[in-house]
Amino acid sequence: QQPVQSPQAVILREGEDAVINCSSSKALYSVHWYRQKHGEAPVFLMILLKGGEQKGHDKISASFNEKKQQSSLYLTASQLSYSGTYFCGTVSQGGSEKLVFGKGTKLTVNP
Amino acid sequence: NAGVTQTPKFQVLKTGQSMTLQCAQDMNHEYMSWYRQDPGMGLRLIHYSVGAGITDQGEVPNGYNVSRSTTEDFPLRLLSAAPSQTSVYFCASSSPGQGSPLHFGNGTRLTVT
Repeated sequence: QQPVQSPQAVILREGEDAVINCSSSKALYSVHWYRQKHGEAPVFLMILLKGGEQKGHDKISASFNEKKQQSSLYLTASQLSYSGTYFCGTVSQGGSEKLVFGKGTKLTVNP
Repeated sequence: NAGVTQTPKFQVLKTGQSMTLQCAQDMNHEYMSWYRQDPGMGLRLIHYSVGAGITDQGEVPNGYNVSRSTTEDFPLRLLSAAPSQTSVYFCASSSPGQGSPLHFGNGTRLTVT
């Protein structure tokens, strides 16, 4: 079952903030975040493991609420280079290592 | 470093034809997987493998076969192509353990007419 991402799309002006959410109906072991630019392969951003940790990468950070099976990706002071489609991927608890992705959130940052 | 290499980059097939999409990685990754990407559908898992000789189905396995005879290679076979299999296909690999990131190949754009 694919995790559910919201919103489907967001348009920002440079310098604005955005939050992308990812939720699953299954108990999760980990949540991955990737960014894909048009015509390219997805690129890894970060992984969050169960335990409710929060991670950061420059002005991009994420949290993982294990009890709610939800993760959020925070983009602060957005830059033009942040434009692309963001995917969350989830690994469910229970032994399988398969990573299942959501449908993506298209982020557009305008000058 | 080559990373994950997919061939071909582009392919056009007629309905009913068969073909194999190749995927090779040189990072000694145990986990390998195939995804298809269609507009508005995200990345959907077709098949995956946790090691040589071990494969399992993902979300959309119908119409596709895989095998994993070596750690390096994970080919995806279409036995009888259908227009519904027109898509962009990505192969990805990672180290063992659920805290390891996926490394993606550059994709294969397949069109079935």
